Amino acid sequence: EAQVTQNPRYLITVTGKKLTVTCSQNMNHEYMSWYRQDPGLGLRQIYYSMNVEVTDKGDVPEGYKVSRKEKRNFPLILESPSPNQTSLYFCASKKTGGSEEQYFGPGTRLTVT
Amino acid sequence: GIQVEQSPPDLILQEGANSTLRCNFSDSVNNLQWFHQNPWGQLINLFYIPSGTKQNGRLSATTVATERYSLLYISSSQTTDSGVYFCAVGYNFNKFYFGSGTKLNVKP
Repeated sequence: EAQVTQNPRYLITVTGKKLTVTCSQNMNHEYMSWYRQDPGLGLRQIYYSMNVEVTDKGDVPEGYKVSRKEKRNFPLILESPSPNQTSLYFCASKKTGGSEEQYFGPGTRLTVT
Repeated sequence: GIQVEQSPPDLILQEGANSTLRCNFSDSVNNLQWFHQNPWGQLINLFYIPSGTKQNGRLSATTVATERYSLLYISSSQTTDSGVYFCAVGYNFNKFYFGSGTKLNVKP
């Protein structure tokens, strides 16, 4: 089944404790992206990657890191999480060229205390 | 970035009613999608529609790119249509901007 997977789905952590949220897709998509969703707001783009080893900032990159060492994986790293990073996080992927619709993972609900 | 405005922000319908959701955007885009976020938070692709008109069952969408808006039509609404509907636009095929959504509540 074609899908985007994220782990963990739920995470409660404390301020300053480094964490990684994994994202993987099995559709051989070149493009991957991370978003956060806060109450009453739409999704905001954190980082995106056009292909392996090519990443760039979205609208809200502060406090986050990403890497793209393999085509299928695009982990999101919070080196020193803070309470204002409490949010619902989505990973997405799409192919480049042709129909470029994004496919989203199930989301990761992160709480930083 | 691109401003995306969705209207109305909230909508309450009786089952069986029709509705139109609107998405206005502030600049030229080359990618536009409509999503439904169900009560469990899952984002479901409805339409990829940077221009033109598409239909899928009771749902249809129209994008007029030159006038910078898109419409999502829901006919004969059902309680399972409840949730939040998002419009997302893409710029340069890599940066994406979402509206704040339309929260739909369909009552039986």
